[in-house]
Amino acid sequence: AQSVTQLGSHVSVSEGALVLLRCNYSSSVPPYLFWYVQYPNQGLQLLLKYTSAATLVKGINGFEAEFKKSETSFHLTKPSAHMSDAAEYFCAVSGSGGYNKLIFGAGTRLAVHP
Amino acid sequence: ETGVTQSPTHLIKTRGQQVTLRCSSQSGHNTVSWYQQALGQGPQFIFQYYREEENGRGNFPPRFSGLQFPNYSSELNVNALELDDSALYLCASSGDLGGETQYFGPGTRLLVL
Repeated sequence: AQSVTQLGSHVSVSEGALVLLRCNYSSSVPPYLFWYVQYPNQGLQLLLKYTSAATLVKGINGFEAEFKKSETSFHLTKPSAHMSDAAEYFCAVSGSGGYNKLIFGAGTRLAVHP
Repeated sequence: ETGVTQSPTHLIKTRGQQVTLRCSSQSGHNTVSWYQQALGQGPQFIFQYYREEENGRGNFPPRFSGLQFPNYSSELNVNALELDDSALYLCASSGDLGGETQYFGPGTRLLVL
């Protein structure tokens, strides 16, 4: 069965510092991987997705993620945090079985301090 | 292009009641998935509809049911509400099956008292 583990339920960085949010997945087949962001009282917004075309994926708002098969990881990074990046971030993997249900991690809440 | 919309935005019900949540998929999308997000947790897959047929179900009891209409909009019905059903219910639409990206609506926040 596929699963996603996000290390660190809370991450705090200073404005301008590197953002690193960790995600490890378990999958028996090549997965599709996603990062979504959720701002307070809102739905999920797609940041980026990996679909096997390139291992380094660039997304919106300056975020990127690198797929590392050997480490079964898909960590999300941003070189310089902005106050507006404060939100909940979810890593997700597409399920198998002929339909594309998403399996989400528990989420990481990012706080950005001035 | 119109995104995914959901109604209502908020809802308060009491235990034992029934509720219907609605979702309009993004233009051109024929697949709708529903997720339940309890407070402080990641979304959990409830079920998916593809061209008006249920196409996969998560670990939710039968009192969670759904419909998809010819215009690909969808409803989630929950009978015999329990306190633990209090959550944000998210609808997502996608263009087709497989690894296609799912686009989420703003959600309906349900409180069961």
